[in-house]
Amino acid sequence: NAGVTQTPKFQVLKTGQSMTLQCAQDMNHEYMSWYRQDPGMGLRLIHYSVGAGITDQGEVPNGYNVSRSTTEDFPLRLLSAAPSQTSVYFCASSPYSGGEQFFGPGTRLTVL
Amino acid sequence: AQKVTQAQTEISVVEKEDVTLDCVYETRDTTYYLFWYKQPPSGELVFLIRRNSFDEQNEISGRYSWNFQKSTSSFNFTITASQVVDSAVYFCALEANQAGTALIFGKGTTLSVSS
Repeated sequence: NAGVTQTPKFQVLKTGQSMTLQCAQDMNHEYMSWYRQDPGMGLRLIHYSVGAGITDQGEVPNGYNVSRSTTEDFPLRLLSAAPSQTSVYFCASSPYSGGEQFFGPGTRLTVL
Repeated sequence: AQKVTQAQTEISVVEKEDVTLDCVYETRDTTYYLFWYKQPPSGELVFLIRRNSFDEQNEISGRYSWNFQKSTSSFNFTITASQVVDSAVYFCALEANQAGTALIFGKGTTLSVSS
């Protein structure tokens, strides 16, 4: 199993550009989440999904969209990138409520 | 509201010292789960432990031990005889129903172990 994979590993955008961060898992987990990590802030929840077709907002959802058309994939879309979205983004999946969350390696995004 | 507080921002110890990382949580749910993750300098998140709200037994795994006390809403993590390889950022996290199976993280404690 590859576990949770994220692409790209690094990305530089200009203000106003859009892009999609990819996240995939091959463990057939129902639950998937996106977090961002900023210095001194820990990890903050952006969006999460409890199954295909079901998504909900977390603590910091503004400027981000998600969809969950398959169990395996949970892409995060930045609609119009802003410097405040410079961060490290982690995707995670879990097999059930209260289960261990498996994290991807992260995507480091810089918005100029 | 759900909240996790790690009051210690940074801790520095010398090898072989014992160190305790504090974690205090807030939730109104009666069923919840607590986690500790380690983030070494390489950046990945490493799962250490998961505990549900109905299991207050302390746990020991090698040099690591965890003390869960519902009466004080705390889930503290102790490393015995610390080693340089323990240097990392440690996160405590809470999963409760209101967050729909996603985690609420504390801001993390940076542990530096010197030789």
